[in-house]
Amino acid sequence: EVQLQESGPGLVKPSQSLSLTCSVTGYSITSNYWGWIRKFPGNKMEWMGYISYSGSTSYNPSLKSRISITRDTSKNQFFLQLNSVTTEDTATYYCARWPTRVPLFAYWGQGTLVTVSS
Amino acid sequence: DVQMTQSPSYLAASPGESVSISCKASKSISNNLAWYQEKPGKANKLLIHSGSTLQSGTPSRFSGSGSGTDFTLTIRSLEFEDFAVYYCQQYNEYPPTFGAGTKLELK
Repeated sequence: EVQLQESGPGLVKPSQSLSLTCSVTGYSITSNYWGWIRKFPGNKMEWMGYISYSGSTSYNPSLKSRISITRDTSKNQFFLQLNSVTTEDTATYYCARWPTRVPLFAYWGQGTLVTVSS
Repeated sequence: DVQMTQSPSYLAASPGESVSISCKASKSISNNLAWYQEKPGKANKLLIHSGSTLQSGTPSRFSGSGSGTDFTLTIRSLEFEDFAVYYCQQYNEYPPTFGAGTKLELK
């Protein structure tokens, strides 16, 4: 059974970087597509980006140059870094997996709340 | 980006009743529309894709319809486990975008 588990700091200061880890069990991240989605207070959801089985990445243009998704295949983990955060980045962050480039999110982690506050 | 307008935001119903949730896209997305269920403490669940195709494990009381810009999720004979938040999502083009969610509450 595939399981995805997000981890990372629950509190980040404005202007700093947000860093999260998604640990995957039951499936190799060298297959399929793996990405990040966030849900803001009020329930708006935003797709942030992905890293593919080959290591290629794609990001939501709304996040411009602030986002980076990387991976460690030896640990079967992938990572989110979001730079220069503001209070508007306060959200629950989910990692997800989908089998092809078509962004149909069949598997999700349970999410981790990150609050941006001084 | 494709804007997804979901309504209503809140819906109150009783077990045994049927409910419908609407999702409208700002431009045609063919049938590239998915529905998800969100429940506290659980991973989000993909219920329906391709507008009307039930994902494996989705009960048959769930159904989806529509194509182009207008879509509907219908749940017949509500069960207690169905009270949750539902989201639509288009995957016709990147970036994929979501509706704002519908909270289905127990009346």
